[in-house]
Amino acid sequence: GNSVTQMEGPVTLSEEAFLTINCTYTATGYPSLFWYVQYPGEGLQLLLKATKADDKGSNKGFEATYRKETTSFHLEKGSVQVSDSAVYFCALRRTGNQFYFGTGTSLTVIP
Amino acid sequence: KAGVTQTPRYLIKTRGQQVTLSCSPISGHRSVSWYQQTPGQGLQFLFEYFSETQRNKGNFPGRFSGRQFSNSRSEMNVSTLELGDSALYLCASSPAAASLGDSPLHFGNGTRLTVT
Repeated sequence: GNSVTQMEGPVTLSEEAFLTINCTYTATGYPSLFWYVQYPGEGLQLLLKATKADDKGSNKGFEATYRKETTSFHLEKGSVQVSDSAVYFCALRRTGNQFYFGTGTSLTVIP
Repeated sequence: KAGVTQTPRYLIKTRGQQVTLSCSPISGHRSVSWYQQTPGQGLQFLFEYFSETQRNKGNFPGRFSGRQFSNSRSEMNVSTLELGDSALYLCASSPAAASLGDSPLHFGNGTRLTVT
């Protein structure tokens, strides 16, 4: 079946630290991969996406590379800010508009 | 462009009652999906509608139903509410059928349902 496993949180980092949130997936065929972010009291917002192997998605300093050989899509940012504090969700889309989400990783950045 | 609008933002109901949640997609979006978000189960897919037809359905009991109108607005109904139905219900819209492109989902801010 289709599933997403992402690193458990919560994660606490100091401002300007390097961030990695691991995400691996299981899917048949070639899914599209996404990272969404959820701020308190809000819905999910698309952060970045990649639709085929070796694609790199990037937005707001965040990056993730679609690695087919390791079935991974790890999220990275070189220098986090307090405003990056949120919950991050990795997701895959296999067919149709049905997305499969990871359980979310809560990030807190302290000044 | 206005985003996905969900109403109401908060609901409190008692067990056994029924509830209807509403979602207005982004203008021009024809696909509407619903997700249930809980701390224990995360985000779980309920169903997707496209052009007034249900195209996909998740693994939820028949108490959960939905529909889509000709203007793409969607409603979700839960009958005979149970305590475990307490959750954040998220609606998401997408411009087209998936087979025509690879559009992401655009989420609303959700309806927080509490069942007492």
